Amino acid sequence: DSGVTQTPKHLITATGQRVTLRCSPRSGDLSVYWYQQSLDQGLQFLIHYYNGEERAKGNILERFSAQQFPDLHSELNLSSLELGDSALYFCASSVASQVYEQYFGPGTRLTVT
Amino acid sequence: ILNVEQSPQSLHVQEGDSTNFTCSFPSSNFYALHWYRWETAKSPEALFVMTLNGDEKKKGRISATLNTKEGYSYLYIKGSQPEDSATYLCAFKTSYDKVIFGPGTSLSVIP
Repeated sequence: DSGVTQTPKHLITATGQRVTLRCSPRSGDLSVYWYQQSLDQGLQFLIHYYNGEERAKGNILERFSAQQFPDLHSELNLSSLELGDSALYFCASSVASQVYEQYFGPGTRLTVT
Repeated sequence: ILNVEQSPQSLHVQEGDSTNFTCSFPSSNFYALHWYRWETAKSPEALFVMTLNGDEKKKGRISATLNTKEGYSYLYIKGSQPEDSATYLCAFKTSYDKVIFGPGTSLSVIP
């Protein structure tokens, strides 16, 4: 158990819908990262938040957004869902910046039908 | 387009063999190189974070080296055990905060 929690574990929804994935970092960690793993691709970096502020964006679609709240938990919002958004979404946390180890949560499996 | 490559794609070794894999990354805009171990149906688990050219890290039977000038890192496993079977991922972190993962090396250790 890494200490990072993600909810829900599984999510099945229809195209066009909007969902919110939640991540709680390890106690004391200020950084949260979101990653996507699709069937035909490896892990893709989506976005990084540090202490409530966005630090970097990766391959995140405009239909997706994220935020980190004052209690440091983070939410990833996915809207106008398409079949291709079906994937495993991981969040990871670390103490601060990228020179520290990242601890991955168990992931949320999103299926868009 | 920044690209991170790993070789080989997969590897089958006998228990007790030592093995190594390679992660190749761009030599510019380097900030850090992460190695992860990823078992099936689990989440990636951090092995090492490497930042300096010439860095060497070790954890038990697993060690890693880093050459930022030529853009590669090696991961070594000494005396492979069946529990080492997993996918080993490297991730390159740029100086402008982007993270690019390699495709991984899948290791199977045959008892």
